[in-house]
Amino acid sequence: KAGVTQTPRYLIKTRGQQVTLSCSPISGHRSVSWYQQTPGQGLQFLFEYFSETQRNKGNFPGRFSGRQFSNSRSEMNVSTLELGDSALYLCASSLDRYNEQFFGPGTRLTVL
Amino acid sequence: GENVEQHPSTLSVQEGDSAVIKCTYSDSASNYFPWYKQELGKGPQLIIDIRSNVGEKKDQRIAVTLNKTAKHFSLHITETQPEDSAVYFCAASIDYQLIWGAGTKLIIKP
Repeated sequence: KAGVTQTPRYLIKTRGQQVTLSCSPISGHRSVSWYQQTPGQGLQFLFEYFSETQRNKGNFPGRFSGRQFSNSRSEMNVSTLELGDSALYLCASSLDRYNEQFFGPGTRLTVL
Repeated sequence: GENVEQHPSTLSVQEGDSAVIKCTYSDSASNYFPWYKQELGKGPQLIIDIRSNVGEKKDQRIAVTLNKTAKHFSLHITETQPEDSAVYFCAASIDYQLIWGAGTKLIIKP
């Protein structure tokens, strides 16, 4: 069974630009969660989608948004990038919210 | 809201010795406590978890203990091996949302 895939793996952007990251969950998984990981901060929860609906949202500004498609693939978008948005963005999929989360390798975003 | 503190931030142990990582949480309503291992260049991977109705769980060389009264839980790794070197994260679940500790870098010295 293929794992969670995230594209692209690395991304360099400049301040003010916008970016879209993609996540393909494990086949059959309907829940997709997104996290931001920065050194020394652990993982910060961004949002969770289930069957194309956002079920839960973390404490991030409105510049961070996401969506989920009918095939469970998910995208997250960050608009008007700031230097502080530089981080590893991780996507995790699970059968549902009370099941084990399986993580992808992440997308490393650098904002210059 | 829920807050999870994890200690130590770095732990260096001799190969073959035991390692213990501790986490405390603030919200007594938290009911699920997983531990994840993250190797360089990879996403975190679940290694063991415990639910609030259980005090201890073991899986070969790793074990997790939970003290609900004190609101803390710990990861124990015995007979450490070089492949145990990684960053370990604890988390606490409330309302199906995982709140994560800041991570512990475990270094296994040969």
